[in-house]
Amino acid sequence: GENVEQHPSTLSVQEGDSAVIKCTYSDSASNYFPWYKQELGKRPQLIIDIRSNVGEKKDQRIAVTLNKTAKHFSLHITETQPEDSAVYFCAANTGNQFYFGTGTSLTVIP
Amino acid sequence: DTEVTQTPKHLVMGMTNKKSLKCEQHMGHRAMYWYKQKAKKPPELMFVYSYEKLSINESVPSRFSPECPNSSLLNLHLHALQPEDSALYLCASSQDRGETEAFFGQGTRLTVV
Repeated sequence: GENVEQHPSTLSVQEGDSAVIKCTYSDSASNYFPWYKQELGKRPQLIIDIRSNVGEKKDQRIAVTLNKTAKHFSLHITETQPEDSAVYFCAANTGNQFYFGTGTSLTVIP
Repeated sequence: DTEVTQTPKHLVMGMTNKKSLKCEQHMGHRAMYWYKQKAKKPPELMFVYSYEKLSINESVPSRFSPECPNSSLLNLHLHALQPEDSALYLCASSQDRGETEAFFGQGTRLTVV
């Protein structure tokens, strides 16, 4: 089955700096890669996603890049704000189910 | 309506109790999921229903029994649980099992005593 690895597990940045979270996957059949943000005690919520026929996607301060050849994808958050503090999960979908990374706990220091 | 609604929000049950978790969505999604999540861990897949049929059971113990009465509802029946089953149980739905967004419910915080 698919194996999704996510790094780093924890990340602290100063407010206004950028944050980058990286994920790798193993199954070349994976074709959809969402990123979820989960605040403490709340549900995971989709913040951005990318499909396998696209290399990069941007939505305001958030961007995702995908390298299908290397089987890795990354989340980029620019101009970080304290409300960006949360746990972020990447995921890969093979067409059958979602496989989640282990999560990154992001802390933005004011 | 882009909501997945789960009830109850919190549940405390004894090891001999029988209880049920409920999940509802009205987005016309044909795939529905149950996940178990421990603190600071990723959601762990338990079951997938596709077009109201169980399509994936990730070797979940029989004390967890899923049910999909119709395309909008998903239940998880609980019986004879163990304290280690205490966790956040998340329901999710998506248009289908492929490359579409999964919407999560707010979860049921389950404590087994």
